[in-house]
Amino acid sequence: AQSVTQLDSQVPVFEEAPVELRCNYSSSVSVYLFWYVQYPNQGLQLLLKYLSGSTLVESINGFEAEFNKSQTSFHLRKPSVHISDTAEYFCAVSDRSFQKLVFGTGTRLLVSP
Amino acid sequence: KAGVTQTPRYLIKTRGQQVTLSCSPISGHRSVSWYQQTPGQGLQFLFEYFSETQRNKGNFPGRFSGRQFSNSRSEMNVSTLELGDSALYLCASTTGQTGELFFGEGSRLTVL
Repeated sequence: AQSVTQLDSQVPVFEEAPVELRCNYSSSVSVYLFWYVQYPNQGLQLLLKYLSGSTLVESINGFEAEFNKSQTSFHLRKPSVHISDTAEYFCAVSDRSFQKLVFGTGTRLLVSP
Repeated sequence: KAGVTQTPRYLIKTRGQQVTLSCSPISGHRSVSWYQQTPGQGLQFLFEYFSETQRNKGNFPGRFSGRQFSNSRSEMNVSTLELGDSALYLCASTTGQTGELFFGEGSRLTVL
């Protein structure tokens, strides 16, 4: 079985500041890792994923995450946030069947001017 | 390409009633999964269907059921509604090849 821990329920940050959203996972098998974002009153959208290869993965809007197998972490970072990044971010893990995603409890990123 | 469509978007029911939610996946996607989202429990996996077969099921009581049709459209049903069933129910579809789930905007169920 897999589990995901997002320790921070809410992260307030000022615009143009850097941010890190933390994610740790637990699994007895090899996993794939994902970050999804949810804007108010919308469904979830994939932000980025790690399946294999380079442990550093990037999104088109400036976010990046690094898979760290020894620390079982997949933290999300952005060097400079915008107001429009305000949303809830979910870390998720899947085994190689892709049949089921296990989500963390989410981190609400609040960007203020 | 049309996204995942869920209907209805909002509904209000009373305890003891039943509800059916519908999900139309992206064209070509044969896998459909359902998640329940609540403030207290976060996102919880309900079940996943592929080619009309349930392949995986979460830890929900038997009141929660689902099915998938030959055109990949899916429905989920909750019988004997309880107050705790109030939630946003999200449907997602995928090809199953890349790991990316495409989510609908959800059906928000309120049980009074």
